[in-house]
Amino acid sequence: DTAVSQTPKYLVTQMGNDKSIKCEQNLGHDTMYWYKQDSKKFLKIMFSYNNKELIINETVPNRFSPKSPDKAHLNLHINSLELGDSAVYFCASSQLGTEQFFGPGTRLTVL
Amino acid sequence: KQEVTQIPAALSVPEGENLVLNCSFTDSAIYNLQWFRQDPGKGLTSLLLIQSSQREQTSGRLNASLDKSSGRSTLYIAASQPGDSATYLCAVVDNTDKLIFGTGTRLQVFP
Repeated sequence: DTAVSQTPKYLVTQMGNDKSIKCEQNLGHDTMYWYKQDSKKFLKIMFSYNNKELIINETVPNRFSPKSPDKAHLNLHINSLELGDSAVYFCASSQLGTEQFFGPGTRLTVL
Repeated sequence: KQEVTQIPAALSVPEGENLVLNCSFTDSAIYNLQWFRQDPGKGLTSLLLIQSSQREQTSGRLNASLDKSSGRSTLYIAASQPGDSATYLCAVVDNTDKLIFGTGTRLQVFP
């Protein structure tokens, strides 16, 4: 009965490729988020969606495109991957304004 | 621009000690504050959420306090155990529902 799940857990790919990370939550929350944790372990928000609508976009390159087909899913598609995209990506969810719950993370390595 | 700082960056203590982890933020206009723990290679586990109108929250051996006017929060861990070893992250939520993370405190509790 995982609350927030992400797939895949690990992703290793070549520069220039396009890849997607999927996120699902079964908590009935109306808001979902993507965060990036860099090599220095610093966490920063990328996007948030509320009821399938984008509400936060933190000056992320437009190679990153989130897609929310419904309230329970928020996927992250990345085009033309670069070395600097290597990081751990975390999905999270909450009822807007309340405690945020995080997924296990996806470790992306770009070679 | 909101900045969140955590002191100390690392802490190593013997089992049984009571600990205080500190978090400070530069903009007192926060919506709430959340404490997390992150185990190596894992996701984030939410520990406590303090609403901006609250002064403290308790969960088991953990107690978090919030002084919004001075831009400070502390996480108190009573009777520390080796299983408490992890990185502890403080994050403030602004009025856009965005979590802004601190730099973390890496805690090691040895037997």
